[in-house]
Amino acid sequence: EDQVTQSPEALRLQEGESSSLNCSYTVSGLRGLFWYRQDPGKGPEFLFTLYSAGEEKEKERLKATLTKKESFLHITAPKPEDSATYLCAVQAEAAVNKLTFGGGTRVLVKP
Amino acid sequence: ETGVTQTPRHLVMGMTNKKSLKCEQHLGHNAMYWYKQSAKKPLELMFVYSLEERVENNSVPSRFSPECPNSSHLFLHLHTLQPEDSALYLCASSQGPGKAFFGQGTRLTVV
Repeated sequence: EDQVTQSPEALRLQEGESSSLNCSYTVSGLRGLFWYRQDPGKGPEFLFTLYSAGEEKEKERLKATLTKKESFLHITAPKPEDSATYLCAVQAEAAVNKLTFGGGTRVLVKP
Repeated sequence: ETGVTQTPRHLVMGMTNKKSLKCEQHLGHNAMYWYKQSAKKPLELMFVYSLEERVENNSVPSRFSPECPNSSHLFLHLHTLQPEDSALYLCASSQGPGKAFFGQGTRLTVV
């Protein structure tokens, strides 16, 4: 069974204080790993897809990386508007219609 | 309109009521999904429709009944729900097995 574990559950940062979120996964043949951002009361918003170990993607202050067992979402010099819950999900080669999500990391960036 | 639109945004229903959630996607995608998001739990996949055919039913109780009349519309019919069914119900769409785009969700409260 595919599993995704995200840590920490919650993260409080000062504005400008860089940090990393972890997503550990077990999947029988990874087709893709997805990062989403979710604001309170809203649906998840797509950020990145990573397909193979060593791949990196960047968007503004966010950078996602992938190894064979985990992915990291690095937040560089965060701003208060980066406050959100960040979700990680995996898609297996044998179940391309299914995303298995982790529990998310709630990030609060204080000015 | 663009993206994935869900209605209603909020719904309160009694345990003996029958109601339906509606989802419409304007992205030209060929797959649509229902997810459930409960407090303190990861997003759980409920149903998947690919090319209007149900391809995934993730052991969901029969009091939840999906309907996909065409590739742009998805419904979730609800009847005799339990209080533990209170959650945020999210609709998503994708083009094949690619990244999923989510709607804003319907916040359901069963009283």
